[in-house]
Amino acid sequence: AQTVTQSQPEMSVQEAETVTLSCTYDTSESNYYLFWYKQPPSRQMILVIRQEAYKQQNATENRFSVNFQKAAKSFSLKISDSQLGDTAMYFCAFRPSWGKLQFGAGTQVVVTP
Amino acid sequence: DTAVSQTPKYLVTQMGNDKSIKCEQNLGHDTMYWYKQDSKKFLKIMFSYNNKELIINETVPNRFSPKSPDKAHLNLHINSLELGDSAVYFCASSPSLGSSNTEAFFGQGTRLTVV
Repeated sequence: AQTVTQSQPEMSVQEAETVTLSCTYDTSESNYYLFWYKQPPSRQMILVIRQEAYKQQNATENRFSVNFQKAAKSFSLKISDSQLGDTAMYFCAFRPSWGKLQFGAGTQVVVTP
Repeated sequence: DTAVSQTPKYLVTQMGNDKSIKCEQNLGHDTMYWYKQDSKKFLKIMFSYNNKELIINETVPNRFSPKSPDKAHLNLHINSLELGDSAVYFCASSPSLGSSNTEAFFGQGTRLTVV
């Protein structure tokens, strides 16, 4: 069985600052995919970034980047130059090649002026 | 164009009623899902269909019955609604299992309130 753990229920960050969200997962699979989804107050689930486990290079999408440590089974998200619009619930998610997409409990990010 | 569309967005109903939530995707995906998000925002998978066949059925009361008339549609019917069924229900779709393109696209969610 796979599990996804997000240990930070809430993080607060000032505008223009950087915040890092942690995520760890447990699996015996060798091939899998990791995701960060964002859920703003509108409740729409929006994909922020994706990482394939077979790729060593960390994924980057504009101000969002990940630190993928496969041996440690860690997948943290860094939000740089935080903006008010980044305020949302952030979910780490794991999916094996042939399995279901599972989510962590989420981290609420609050960006303050 | 909406990629994954759910209706209705809001649903308020009395205990004991039967209700349905509809979901349609126009992305040509083979796999569709239903997730339940509880009051603590925890997202739990309920069902998954691949090409109209049920492939994942988590421990969900049998009052919940998904139906997939074709691979673009996955509806969720709930019988004898209970207070504990109140939640946001998300439909999602993704390309075939095993595909390297594994991103799941979500509908806007249906907030179900049972009173």
